[in-house]
Amino acid sequence: NAGVTQTPKFQVLKTGQSMTLQCAQDMNHEYMSWYRQDPGMGLRLIHYSVGAGITDQGEVPNGYNVSRSTTEDFPLRLLSAAPSQTSVYFCASSPGTSGQGSTDTQYFGPGTRLTVL
Amino acid sequence: AQSVSQHNHHVILSEAASLELGCNYSYGGTVNLFWYVQYPGQHLQLLLKYFSGDPLVKGIKGFEAEFIKSKFSFNLRKPSVQWSDTAEYFCAARSGNTGKLIFGQGTTLQVKP
Repeated sequence: NAGVTQTPKFQVLKTGQSMTLQCAQDMNHEYMSWYRQDPGMGLRLIHYSVGAGITDQGEVPNGYNVSRSTTEDFPLRLLSAAPSQTSVYFCASSPGTSGQGSTDTQYFGPGTRLTVL
Repeated sequence: AQSVSQHNHHVILSEAASLELGCNYSYGGTVNLFWYVQYPGQHLQLLLKYFSGDPLVKGIKGFEAEFIKSKFSFNLRKPSVQWSDTAEYFCAARSGNTGKLIFGQGTTLQVKP
């Protein structure tokens, strides 16, 4: 298994440009999520998905869109990039969604470092 | 709103010193708790997790954490740190109802040889 993969590893955008960060997992995990990591802020949840066709907002969803058309893929779209979106983005997945007694844990991708000028 | 807070943002210790990093969460209902570590230049790795049962959980590399429900806390401990423990540590909590995993702000640990 490749685990959780993210592309690209690095990206530089100009303000107003759009782009899609790709995330894929080959473990047949139901749950996938996107975080951004900023110094002193920890990881903040952007969007998450509990299964194909189902997405929901996290703590900081503004400026980002997601879709989940397949179990494997969970792309994150920046429609009009802003300097405030300069960050490191992590995708994560886990086998289940939630529930009492759930024992699944998150698997993280290697991250995408995005700079918006 | 669900939240996780870590009290120490930057901790500096000498090798062999004992470590305790604080973590508090505010969730109602069932909660799963985690500690992750991020070594310089690497992505997050799971140190340990609590789902139910014994509130004292042991993880990798000699780390342990104690879940105290009455205090909404899940502090991370290690009796004797090593230089290789230098990293950033994140506490996280997941709601048993929604599955959302929320992280604390992180604590940077620097261990001096």
